[in-house]
Parts: sequence; C-alpha cells; structure tokens
Amino acid sequence: AQSVTQLDSHVSVSEGTPVLLRCNYSSSYSPSLFWYVQHPNKGLQLLLKYTSAATLVKGINGFEAEFKKSETSFHLTKPSAHMSDAAEYFCVVIFTSGTYKYIFGTGTRLKVLA
Amino acid sequence: EPEVTQTPSHQVTQMGQEVILRCVPISNHLYFYWYRQILGQKVEFLVSFYNNEISEKSEIFDDQFSVERPDGSNFTLKIRSTKLEDSAMYFCASTPTVGGVNPYEQYFGPGTRLTVT
Repeated sequence: AQSVTQLDSHVSVSEGTPVLLRCNYSSSYSPSLFWYVQHPNKGLQLLLKYTSAATLVKGINGFEAEFKKSETSFHLTKPSAHMSDAAEYFCVVIFTSGTYKYIFGTGTRLKVLA
Repeated sequence: EPEVTQTPSHQVTQMGQEVILRCVPISNHLYFYWYRQILGQKVEFLVSFYNNEISEKSEIFDDQFSVERPDGSNFTLKIRSTKLEDSAMYFCASTPTVGGVNPYEQYFGPGTRLTVT
C-alpha cells in the first residue's frame, strides 16, 4: 500500500537561508511523487513532480526535490528562503492502481522569519 | 491557461440541510475527483469519477454524498443532510488520463469552504 510521511509539521527558517522539508514514502511500486504548496486561503499549486525520469527534479520558484529510492525519500529543498514561501507544503504519492488517487502527507507549515 | 473552477468559494449552511458544491473541470479532462480538507488536517480523497460513474470512493463517502456530471461540463458534489463534521474545504480536481509510466498530474480547483452551523 502507498503512504507518505512528512516528518515535520512545522519548519521555521530565516529569510535567505536554505529550506528543507522532509518526505518519506512507502510504495509497492515505483512511485510517482509530487509536492504541492497551499498559501493561506488558496488552492493547491503544483511545485514539482517525479515520474521516474531524472531523480533531481526542479520545480517552480526555485524549489527542487531529489528522489532517493534507497532512502524512500523525496525531500523538498530551496537554497534561499523568501518571505513569500511561507505556506503549507504537501508531499503526495499517487496510488498506482485503480483511479490513481492522490495520497497526501499531513503537510508541513513553513514559516519564514525576517 | 485552462483551470479548474469551483463555486461557491464559501458556503454556510445549517445542519441537516442539503448542499451542492460545483466544479467545472478542464474541458478535455476525463477523470474527476473530490477531496476534502478539514481545518488543520491533511487533504483526503473522497471520490473519483469517470465515464459518468464513480470509479472509486473512500470510507468518508457514505450515502450522504453523491456526485454527478449533469451537463458535460459541471461536476457536482452533493451532501444530502449536512453534519457539523462536514465543515471543511472541498477541492475538485481533474486529469486528462490516468496510469502509464508518467501519470498525469491532477489539476486542483481553488476549493469551496463549507461551514455547517
């Protein structure tokens, strides 16, 4: 069965410092993984996705994530945080049978300090 | 760029009342989904819909819930008799296809915040 775990419910960083949001997955198959961002009172926006091509995936707004099969991880990183990055981030694994529903992690709230 | 739209953005209703949440998926998409996010919690799958029928539903999607695509463009979620615990953000999503080596991403609408009083 597929599942996804986000290890940190809250992360605080100072503006200009690196961001690391952790995600581990469990899947019986080669997974497809996504990161979505949700700004306050907004919908879900796709940041990036991994679909068995390059293991280092670049997304929007300077974010990237690396798929590490040996560690079953798909951590999200950004070299330098910006105030506008403050939001909730969701790691998602796609359930690779049936209707390919999304399985969401519990989310990580990123706070960026001035 | 095409996008998924949802109406209303916020719905307030009294317990026991029926509500219909509306979604207009991207026009050439074939698979449709509803998800729910209770305040402060993760996003949960409710139901998927393809070819005018439910493909899969979760435990949450009980007899109080129904979906339909009444006119080829709208995709609706009906809650027959709302409960306090139905208060949540409801997201609609669509995708052109599923499966394959590179499954298509799901495109999400902005959500409808349902408040049951």
